[in-house]
This record gives sequence, structure tokens and C-alpha cells, in this order.
Amino acid sequence: SQKIEQNSEALNIQEGKTATLTCNYTNYSPAYLQWYRQDPGRGPVFLLLIRENEKEKRKERLKVTFDTTLKQSLFHITASQPADSATYLCALDMIRGDKLIFGTGTRLQVFP
Amino acid sequence: ETGVTQTPRHLVMGMTNKKSLKCEQHLGHNAMYWYKQSAKKPLELMFVYSLEERVENNSVPSRFSPECPNSSHLFLHLHTLQPEDSALYLCASSQDLLVNYGYTFGSGTRLTVV
Repeated sequence: SQKIEQNSEALNIQEGKTATLTCNYTNYSPAYLQWYRQDPGRGPVFLLLIRENEKEKRKERLKVTFDTTLKQSLFHITASQPADSATYLCALDMIRGDKLIFGTGTRLQVFP
Repeated sequence: ETGVTQTPRHLVMGMTNKKSLKCEQHLGHNAMYWYKQSAKKPLELMFVYSLEERVENNSVPSRFSPECPNSSHLFLHLHTLQPEDSALYLCASSQDLLVNYGYTFGSGTRLTVV
């Protein structure tokens, strides 16, 4: 069956370092991969979208890579800040171009 | 505010009650969604509406009944729920059904069934 895997353990890093979060998927050939941020008790907020024919996408301190051979996306936050502490979700179209489904998310904690 | 407004933010209901969750967007989006988020589980897609027509019903029990009277409003009617239905219910909207745009989520309704 189709599966999206994100590290369920929290990632703890020191302020100023680069945080790297991983999203792996199996039995998919997604056309799009999205990353969201979710704060406790709030809905997810869209951050970035990357297409299958794009290797990398950047937005300010954020960088996303998409390796369709490895079936993996990496999400990087450079110069991390305590305000970046949140849960980060990756999402894929389960049917090409349609039906967005989500991973369980990885909690990031940035310490001063 | 994200542009998608959900009310109420919190709801406690008994198993015999009937209640409704409301979602409103004025982003001009044509697709709207209901997701359920339980602890330590990924978001579960419940219902999808496109231009007010239901296009997806992901084997959701009939005690959950969606309604989309127009492209700006989405409701989720609840009746005879079970304690395991306690969760965060999220409404989202997108430009259309294609996922080449990000979804805009509301803040959710935290539902507790007692």
C-alpha cells in the first residue's frame, strides 16, 4: 500500500544550525510534493511546493529537494531560530495531480 | 487568519447530540475539503467538494454528513458520534482539485465526544 514516512521522533537543534527533515514515500509516483508547517492547535500552513521535474526549490531560509529515484524529499531550514519550532508535514498527490495526502509530521524544536 | 474560518474552535458533545461544524472561505477557491487529525496519525481526508459538488467520500461513517451550499461555505453535520471521533477537524480550500497549488487550512475545530 502507499505510504509516506516522516521521522516520528522530534528533531532538536541549536539556534543558528541547519535543520534537515526527511520525507520518504513508497508505491507512489507523485507529480507534486508539498511541505507545511503546523503549530499546536492550529491548521497546517503551506510553505513550499516542488514538482517532480524540479530537483530543488528555495524560499528565503527554506530549501526543499525532491529525488524521485530515492523517493525522498529533504526539507532544510538554514540559520534556524526558536520561532521555527513546529511540526512540519510533507504531502503528496496520491493520484497524479489529485488527492493530497499527508505524512504524520516531524516535530522540530530549536533551542536558543 | 488564513482566509479560511472555522467555527466553533472547540466543541464538546454527547454521543446523542447533533451539532454542525462550519467552514467559510472568501479566497475565490473552487475546491473545499474536510480532514480529520487524530493524535499521532496523519491527516485523514474525509470529503472533497469541487464547485459545490461532492467528488470524494473516503468511506466515512454516515454519522458524518457534509453539506456545501455554495463555493464559499462548507458544513460538517455530526450526529450520534462515538468517543473515537474526538479529534481536530480541519477544513481546507484550494484553487481547484489539482494539487499544483498549496491548500489553505482553517484553524480547525477541536471536537471532544463524551
